Amino acid sequence: LAKTTQPISMDSYEGQEVNITCSHNNIATNDYITWYQQFPSQGPRFIIQGYKTKVTNEVASLFIPADRKSSTLSLPRVSLSDTAVYYCLASFTGGGNKLTFGTGTQLKVEL
Amino acid sequence: DAGVTQSPTHLIKTRGQHVTLRCSPISGHKSVSWYQQVLGQGPQFIFQYYEKEERGRGNFPDRFSARQFPNYSSELNVNALLLGDSALYLCASSLVGTDNEQFFGPGTRLTVL
Repeated sequence: LAKTTQPISMDSYEGQEVNITCSHNNIATNDYITWYQQFPSQGPRFIIQGYKTKVTNEVASLFIPADRKSSTLSLPRVSLSDTAVYYCLASFTGGGNKLTFGTGTQLKVEL
Repeated sequence: DAGVTQSPTHLIKTRGQHVTLRCSPISGHKSVSWYQQVLGQGPQFIFQYYEKEERGRGNFPDRFSARQFPNYSSELNVNALLLGDSALYLCASSLVGTDNEQFFGPGTRLTVL
């Protein structure tokens, strides 16, 4: 399983764009990049998943360069409610449901 | 539609006791996975069940066991509880057994004294 590395914490202000970068140098050909969000005392929530280039949904964008050794989760115009832990995972779709979470990035959004 | 539900929400046990945690997946989901989350760390995979069969097991001792019922609900059992078993136990469901998009329940907070 590919090991992912992301910053332990980040601070931002309301209305700003936040970019969280994840490093996954040993990503396998079959691995997808998946991001989850977790609030205190709740289960993680799926945000977005991608394989290459750019994926966008209603809450975030995911940028993955051609070499796939890193990826960036972009949260546009964050609000206080985006304060949470964000996990980057390199997961093989088709290999079962074993998601491997690291320690994540604690994002703190202030006024 | 109801999400993944787990019971109980909180539980206090003493060392050596046994505990059973329960999970009901989203309607139509056939796969259930269990995770343990210790404070300050990410969730760690314990088990996956799909169509009532164990499909994956994490690096946990044999004191941990699970099963999935015909209605796709699941139980996680932990025997001979240790202080280190204190954690948030999360259940996640997905449509099939190969999804990276899993839907997590709110968890059961287990405290072992």
